Amino acid sequence: DTAVSQTPKYLVTQMGNDKSIKCEQNLGHDTMYWYKQDSKKFLKIMFSYNNKELIINETVPNRFSPKSPDKAHLNLHINSLELGDSAVYFCASSPGTGSSYEQYFGPGTRLTVT
Amino acid sequence: GQNIDQPTEMTATEGAIVQINCTYQTSGFNGLFWYQQHAGEAPTFLSYNVLDGLEEKGRFSSFLSRSKGYSYLLLKELQMKDSASYLCAVYNYGQNFVFGPGTRLSVLP
Repeated sequence: DTAVSQTPKYLVTQMGNDKSIKCEQNLGHDTMYWYKQDSKKFLKIMFSYNNKELIINETVPNRFSPKSPDKAHLNLHINSLELGDSAVYFCASSPGTGSSYEQYFGPGTRLTVT
Repeated sequence: GQNIDQPTEMTATEGAIVQINCTYQTSGFNGLFWYQQHAGEAPTFLSYNVLDGLEEKGRFSSFLSRSKGYSYLLLKELQMKDSASYLCAVYNYGQNFVFGPGTRLSVLP
């Protein structure tokens, strides 16, 4: 059973397009996250949702819009894709927002913008 | 500002012990995590420290000194499968996780 799943695994698209990445967790966790990992392997938090409510919104262009239809899903929509958006995007979940909670990561979505 | 520093790369021999250091300066501190990430895969949780001292978990141990803004991950009896990147992450007062750049460990036979 996959704990945190993402689709698609690979996404190749052209500049200016709009695309979405879906994330689902079957762990019953309250908190979900989106991270971006660039070519230098830096993992940077983008958004965090707790019980469908946005709690962290880092300095991310407003072309990125997360949507949480329910506690188990956190999707990421990206408008007007740019070359610099090419990266691996990881979804993660944790039982809560407390500091003692480890995060469970999805397999990642490798986005390539040409 | 927020800054987490780790060595970029380390090499060790199978069966040996290796220590990966992490220093941090963040806006508040609520805990430090270590994650392992194999190439092309997702990070997986290794350990968590919130109080000073050593936490041991099988072949892996993690140490924290909050006054020094310092942590290390100790890997014993190294195996080839331990070749991976090791990420240090701090949970700060803004309920935010800040990850370090990661240390790529190569284990040689």
